[in-house]
Amino acid sequence: EDKVVQSPLSLVVHEGDTVTLNCSYEVTNFRSLLWYKQEKKAPTFLFMLTSSGIEKKSGRLSSILDKKELFSILNITATQTGDSAIYLCAGRLDAGNMLTFGGGTRLMVKP
Amino acid sequence: SAVISQKPSRDICQRGTSLTIQCQVDSQVTMMFWYRQQPGQSLTLIATANQGSEATYESGFVIDKFPISRPNLTFSTLTVSNMSPEDSSIYLCSVAPSDQYNEQFFGPGTRLTVL
Repeated sequence: EDKVVQSPLSLVVHEGDTVTLNCSYEVTNFRSLLWYKQEKKAPTFLFMLTSSGIEKKSGRLSSILDKKELFSILNITATQTGDSAIYLCAGRLDAGNMLTFGGGTRLMVKP
Repeated sequence: SAVISQKPSRDICQRGTSLTIQCQVDSQVTMMFWYRQQPGQSLTLIATANQGSEATYESGFVIDKFPISRPNLTFSTLTVSNMSPEDSSIYLCSVAPSDQYNEQFFGPGTRLTVL
C-alpha cells in the first residue's frame, strides 16, 4: 500500500528560525513528489520534485529529493509569521496523476 | 497555473439531503480530481473525473454516494448524496493541465457541515 509519512506532526518556532520538514514515501512506481502549503482550505502548490539531488528553490523555501532513500525535505529559512500553515507532501504514482498525501506538518511561527 | 473556482465555498446542510459542488477551470485541463479533507486529516482522493465517461472511484468511495459529472474539459461537479454528519469535510477540486505528470493545482475548496 502506498504511504507518505511526514514529520514532525507539528512545530513551533520563532521568527527568523530555520525549519526543516521531512517527508518519506513508499509509493509504487514513483514519478514525483509535490509539496503544498495549506493555510485555510486550498493547498497552494510549492514544488514538484522528480530528480534526486536537484534542489528547487523559491525565495526562502527550498526542497530536495532523495530517490535512493525515499525522502524529501522542505527547508524554510528566516521564517516569518506568514509561513504559519500546514505543509503537505504528496507522492505521485505512475498510473495517472493520483496523489497520495502525507498527514502534514503544522508549522506555527511566533513573532 | 490554472485558475480554479468552486461553488459553493461553504454550506450547512441537513442530514439526508444532497449537495452538488461545482468546479470551473479557466482553461482546458486533461485531468480533474475530487478530494476530501475531513477535520484534522490530510487529503484523500475520492475519484478522478473523466470527460465523457464515468468517474474512476478510489477504494471506499462509490458512485451512488458521490456521483460525479464532467461534461467538458473545464467543468466538473461532485454531489454528496444522502448526507450524514460524517460527510462534514472540505471538498477540493484539483486539476492537472496534462497527463504528463506535471504540477497539480487545487481549487479554493468547499467547506461542508452536515447537521
